[in-house]
Amino acid sequence: AQRVTQPEKLLSVFKGAPVELKCNYSYSGSPELFWYVQYSRQRLQLLLRHISRESIKGFTADLNKGETSFHLKKPFAQEEDSAMYYCALRVRNNDMRFGAGTRLTVKP
Amino acid sequence: DGGITQSPKYLFRKEGQNVTLSCEQNLNHDAMYWYRQDPGQGLRLIYYSQIVNDFQKGDIAEGYSVSREKKESFPLTVTSAQKNPTAFYLCASSISPRAEAFFGQGTRLTVV
Repeated sequence: AQRVTQPEKLLSVFKGAPVELKCNYSYSGSPELFWYVQYSRQRLQLLLRHISRESIKGFTADLNKGETSFHLKKPFAQEEDSAMYYCALRVRNNDMRFGAGTRLTVKP
Repeated sequence: DGGITQSPKYLFRKEGQNVTLSCEQNLNHDAMYWYRQDPGQGLRLIYYSQIVNDFQKGDIAEGYSVSREKKESFPLTVTSAQKNPTAFYLCASSISPRAEAFFGQGTRLTVV
């Protein structure tokens, strides 16, 4: 089955601490993975995609095919990072499978 | 102001009534999507459309219908056949099927 699992519904860290949001996937083909973010009162928006190998707002995510994971990391969390984060897997052109989301709270 | 607009933000309907959720985009995107979000679950694809006058079922299309008569518009009808219609509905669009999707603000539908 094609599935995305985000094991943590809630994650709370202090400002300046490292943060890792976990994402595991199940997919038989070559995966295309994304992280989406939704800040308070804003729309869901793309944060980064694994094929770009980019760092956005200090966040990075590495695809680990052996562990079937795509964890999102940031070495020093900021208060403005507080948001809802969704991991997503593209299974076909028009079909994205989303995880249940993790709500990150960065405390001052 | 370019973007994707969903209306209304909140919608209440009586059980057994059909209801149509609006989604309009002025981004000139070919592809449009409807997702449903329930508490504790990710977004699930209801329907998608790659081009005008064409649409395909997603994972949970039963009890829903769509139309794509214009490029800018992709309305979703929640019919009385949908057994559990109360949910948060998100519309999205992308310039092509593999491009980044842009999301609307969502419509929260409550059926009483």
